[in-house]
Amino acid sequence: NAGVTQTPKFQVLKTGQSMTLQCAQDMNHEYMSWYRQDPGMGLRLIHYSVGAGITDQGEVPNGYNVSRSTTEDFPLRLLSAAPSQTSVYFCASSYSGYEKLFFGSGTQLSVL
Amino acid sequence: GQQLNQSPQSMFIQEGEDVSMNCTSSSIFNTWLWYKQDPGEGPVLLIALYKAGELTSNGRLTAQFGITRKDSFLNISASIPSDVGIYFCAGSYNYGQNFVFGPGTRLSVLP
Repeated sequence: NAGVTQTPKFQVLKTGQSMTLQCAQDMNHEYMSWYRQDPGMGLRLIHYSVGAGITDQGEVPNGYNVSRSTTEDFPLRLLSAAPSQTSVYFCASSYSGYEKLFFGSGTQLSVL
Repeated sequence: GQQLNQSPQSMFIQEGEDVSMNCTSSSIFNTWLWYKQDPGEGPVLLIALYKAGELTSNGRLTAQFGITRKDSFLNISASIPSDVGIYFCAGSYNYGQNFVFGPGTRLSVLP
């Protein structure tokens, strides 16, 4: 019973590099989302998706891209990494947008 | 954007004591969620609340959906060392409006 799976667990990037954070869920959830967690600021929504082919911006979308080609996968792309993107990233999913959210174990990203 | 306030920010308690924490919003919500996060892990859902006045328990944890729909409370009875962590509240008004998270309450349990 995997739930929400995120890879990698840790990543170090240099400024200007690009990378993709992977997220997959096996619960057939329509809703998926990406959050970043910074000290003292709680969880802030980056992007979300209410179904395959549908994505929208959250509170802090700048510098990130997403796509949702399947129900199971929702990757987050950093186009040109900046030190301000150093954070812990969490993927979450739920059956619908306002029901229980289930989180992955996170990706700790450092941008030097 | 919307903000949730959680209090206290942090607390130190003795093992065996009861714990109370709360979450307040300037907006009304239809759903409240409470999560616990251990170091290096993702938040784990503890309790979900869907109705004003609702009181729901999960073992030693009890959460309430405030009557005004602008607040929620979490109580932990007879705390144990594994209760250590950060507790987050999250609120949502309805479909199409994403969950907003509070900044968390950091709980430390002293033996």
